Amino acid sequence: AQKVTQAQTEISVVEKEDVTLDCVYETRDTTYYLFWYKQPPSGELVFLIRRNSFDEQNEISGRYSWNFQKSTSSFNFTITASQVVDSAVYFCALSGGYSTLTFGKGTMLLVSP
Amino acid sequence: DAGVTQSPTHLIKTRGQHVTLRCSPISGHKSVSWYQQVLGQGPQFIFQYYEKEERGRGNFPDRFSARQFPNYSSELNVNALLLGDSALYLCASSPAVFWEQYFGPGTRLTVT
Repeated sequence: AQKVTQAQTEISVVEKEDVTLDCVYETRDTTYYLFWYKQPPSGELVFLIRRNSFDEQNEISGRYSWNFQKSTSSFNFTITASQVVDSAVYFCALSGGYSTLTFGKGTMLLVSP
Repeated sequence: DAGVTQSPTHLIKTRGQHVTLRCSPISGHKSVSWYQQVLGQGPQFIFQYYEKEERGRGNFPDRFSARQFPNYSSELNVNALLLGDSALYLCASSPAVFWEQYFGPGTRLTVT
């Protein structure tokens, strides 16, 4: 069985602060994929990143960065210099042998001016 | 290019009724998946179709069924609606299995 845990239910920061969203996963698959999605108030899930289990290199995309550590089964997401537009619910998800996504419960990020 | 489209946007049904939700994938995408998202939770997998064949089924009762058409669009059907079926139903498409999935705006179903 696959499981994704996002222990942080809600995080509040002030604009320009850095924030890290935690994600811990469980799977018995040797090949799997990890994802982050953003769900703004409009409700539509927006794809942010996909990593496969064989690629542990950290990735940076603008103000976003991801830290994948297989040893601790974690795939954390950091937003640098947060902005009000970053306010949303962020979901970490896992895809294993059947390619369907198992989502965590999400972390609501509130960025205030 | 158009993204994933879903219809209707909102729907209100009464307990015991039947509902059909529709999804059109991104052009060129052959895989469609359905998810149910209850308020305050992450999406839960219902079905996945690829090339018109069911490739996966989540832990949902037989009241839930789906199909994929030759043009890769898909329908999700729910019979004998219960209050607990009230949720946002999300459709996602991908070029093939194991690729990232792109989600539509969802259909908000309210069962009274």
